[in-house]
Amino acid sequence: SQQGEEDPQALSIQEGENATMNCSYKTSINNLQWYRQNSGRGLVHLILIRSNEREKHSGRLRVTLDTSKKSSSLLITASRAADTASYFCAPIEDSGYSTLTFGKGTMLLVSP
Amino acid sequence: GAGVSQSPRYKVAKRGQDVALRCDPISGHVSLFWYQQALGQGPEFLTYFQNEAQLDKSGLPSDRFFAERPEGSVSTLKIQRTQQEDSAVYLCASSLDGRASEQFFGPGTRLTVL
Repeated sequence: SQQGEEDPQALSIQEGENATMNCSYKTSINNLQWYRQNSGRGLVHLILIRSNEREKHSGRLRVTLDTSKKSSSLLITASRAADTASYFCAPIEDSGYSTLTFGKGTMLLVSP
Repeated sequence: GAGVSQSPRYKVAKRGQDVALRCDPISGHVSLFWYQQALGQGPEFLTYFQNEAQLDKSGLPSDRFFAERPEGSVSTLKIQRTQQEDSAVYLCASSLDGRASEQFFGPGTRLTVL
């Protein structure tokens, strides 16, 4: 499977602000998944967007996918201190099974 | 509801010792994955099981690493003759069928080799 590249590497915002992070990948995908990792809850799946979808929402999360640009973005609205974590994207190619290949992630710090 | 569990949560080993890390996946999940995460990096794939069959071990860094899942449920990752560079967090994940679906991760085992 291919690795996603998250950007920026680090992001620092105040509570209540929105946070946007981006992911780029290289080859065609079946779907793209976003994960969050913090010390409290470990690595947790956030959202999966399929290659035929352009936008998906889950609570305060909004994910977009542009397959022509091979990129995805994750928007967190009205951020909270509890959103402080590292965020990873994992592009999944067409295959019989899917291992996740993570980049270094975006480290988000939300200050009260 | 029970998620993926791993034990031990922390392990300190002297260089040269053998260690065994255990993973209990979510009941009924066909696929099981092991990942290694070094400090400041994203997790890196080690190996994949579909039921009891190890279908991909391309990520195992050396022949000192061995994984098994004999009954298609619990899995053990064994590291022989541990080295300092083996120090990392070892994550286990399971998924319902492994076919491009989401993975559920355990809390990890933090291994420190002295």
